[in-house]
Amino acid sequence: DIQMTQSPSSLSAFVGDRVTISCRASQGVRNALAWFQQKPGKAPRLLLFAASRLESGVPSRFSGSGSGTDYTLTITSLQPEDFATYYCQQYSETPPTFGQGTKLEIK
Amino acid sequence: QGQLVQSGAEVRKPGASVKVSCKASGYMFTAYAMHWVRQAPGQGLEWMGWINAVNGNTGYSQKLQGRVSITRDTSASTVYMELNSLRPEDTAVYFCARKGLTTYDTWGQGTLVTVSS
Repeated sequence: DIQMTQSPSSLSAFVGDRVTISCRASQGVRNALAWFQQKPGKAPRLLLFAASRLESGVPSRFSGSGSGTDYTLTITSLQPEDFATYYCQQYSETPPTFGQGTKLEIK
Repeated sequence: QGQLVQSGAEVRKPGASVKVSCKASGYMFTAYAMHWVRQAPGQGLEWMGWINAVNGNTGYSQKLQGRVSITRDTSASTVYMELNSLRPEDTAVYFCARKGLTTYDTWGQGTLVTVSS
């Protein structure tokens, strides 16, 4: 199975800040990489797929980049509703696997 | 766009079975595969398996192989996930998730399954 490792595991930031979350795969995933946002007691929400493509309805302050084994989620100008846990996921191979999550907290 | 509505919370004793349903609406049921993902309390997301809504073909995680079964009823636009020989470590929220062209674009609300004696 492909292992996905996110960093950091947790992060504190102010409203208005720019934050970056990293995701590293144990082998190349050919840009078959998605980012999800999850709030407490809710299902995950798809933010980006194919490493950098924004899902419909997702604000443009979310962006993704990367290739091969290393990927990044960037959120510019953090809004109060962005404080949540973020997961990367590879869907290049079965089984699909997720990172352990990055909890973004308000400072 | 589509919506997935899951059945309610369940409590089971160790060794028992549980069957969770996921009813799809607002889209053509057979056009998308359905996957199941679970999340233990305070933990991350774990893929369990999937079903081809057209022909019923399935695939399961190696970890759960032999204990999990995913089925569908096309007339009811519903997918079922049954987990047998339950253990306390199976306590988790279970999600169904529709697989779009790439990955999971629609999720059920989640079903809490508690395994406790």
